[in-house]
Amino acid sequence: GQQLNQSPQSMFIQEGEDVSMNCTSSSIFNTWLWYKQDPGEGPVLLIALYKAGELTSNGRLTAQFGITRKDSFLNISASIPSDVGIYFCAGQPYAGNNRKLIWGLGTSLAVNP
Amino acid sequence: DGGITQSPKYLFRKEGQNVTLSCEQNLNHDAMYWYRQDPGQGLRLIYYSQIVNDFQKGDIAEGYSVSREKKESFPLTVTSAQKNPTAFYLCASSIRRTGDTDTQYFGPGTRLTVL
Repeated sequence: GQQLNQSPQSMFIQEGEDVSMNCTSSSIFNTWLWYKQDPGEGPVLLIALYKAGELTSNGRLTAQFGITRKDSFLNISASIPSDVGIYFCAGQPYAGNNRKLIWGLGTSLAVNP
Repeated sequence: DGGITQSPKYLFRKEGQNVTLSCEQNLNHDAMYWYRQDPGQGLRLIYYSQIVNDFQKGDIAEGYSVSREKKESFPLTVTSAQKNPTAFYLCASSIRRTGDTDTQYFGPGTRLTVL
């Protein structure tokens, strides 16, 4: 099935640093979702974006729905050890594919205390 | 306390046996989904259901079967026809009424190991 291009694949940073990751698609989406998955657990929804250009924050997390509707980014400010995990983006196509979610392969984040 | 429950958390089966994974939600969501996740991989859709007594195949349905007899429940059976069943299985649900965006919420997952 179709997949999103999510980058970077992995990151290793120092505690306190800011983090940025993004997802791109070849088709137009009307929804972008960002999830975090801890080892052995189900993904937890962090931020949902429903409108092109929308910028939404959730604590230290900020995500934006790209103007072209083909991309989205997630920023984490002042990282802490509990930010460790895998971050997934998911998008809902504007049309076709029965509008099922399309998933990125994830960004694995490691934080050095 | 609303949410999605999956049981058991860990499941072991012998090769050649069918096994059924449970998924229950009390969020009053219409749609439910099953995903498979392998180490270092993203989520791959197995089956989904948008309404009771109806379900559709996802991208990797071969060797799996589902039922949706109740709105709250969407069990997944991993049959002996599934060639590589060892994986982490995730259930999700969403409101998904007509025109709604498909914001999905996940259960804690079941790790199936076939020996």
